[in-house]
Amino acid sequence: DADVTQTPRNRITKTGKRIMLECSQTKGHDRMYWYRQDPGLGLRLIYYSFDVKDINKGEISDGYSVSRQAQAKFSLSLESAIPNQTALYFCATMGSGANVLTFGAGSRLTVL
Amino acid sequence: SQELEQSPQSLIVQEGKNLTINCTSSKTLYGLYWYKQKYGEGLIFLMMLQKGGEEKSHEKITAKLDEKKQQSSLHITASQPSHAGIYLCGADTYNNAGNMLTFGGGTRLMVKP
Repeated sequence: DADVTQTPRNRITKTGKRIMLECSQTKGHDRMYWYRQDPGLGLRLIYYSFDVKDINKGEISDGYSVSRQAQAKFSLSLESAIPNQTALYFCATMGSGANVLTFGAGSRLTVL
Repeated sequence: SQELEQSPQSLIVQEGKNLTINCTSSKTLYGLYWYKQKYGEGLIFLMMLQKGGEEKSHEKITAKLDEKKQQSSLHITASQPSHAGIYLCGADTYNNAGNMLTFGGGTRLMVKP
């Protein structure tokens, strides 16, 4: 099994629908992150969490919300999806005192 | 905020050729990371550089951080089809090990057999 698991891997939805992307990890890492990837723009940070009770906005948090249900689970929600949220979304984790992110395989979201 | 610019944005090389990808930062780099993404998959960590002038190698991939710590290069020797993918550089946004990473726009590499 993968260290960082994202579900769903692919999702097509319609404008205005609520969508949740889930991330779970078996690394035991405290820190979890959500990024989105758009062609030519690299990865941009949406939200991050350093602990279960810690939630921080990233560079592009508007239109998104997150929930850190447990140390191992960090979900990303789009309350009312819009077409420009079509992107590849990555969850990542990092251990305290470490430097390297471990990424999930990504969730491809298409909003029609 | 720190910005990372990668060049070129895309690259097509013949198998066996050498190539270099550059990552230039708008601010001093305290930690520079190289990741590789295979098409449709997640990112795999390649190397981390922290000290000016530092150079690291893994198999046929070598990464350097220049003395002024505002640019890094990734060099692939004798490229193979397995090197194809998107290469991203990432940098610590604070002088604090790895809490947040800012990423460049990526370089898409294709290797023609």
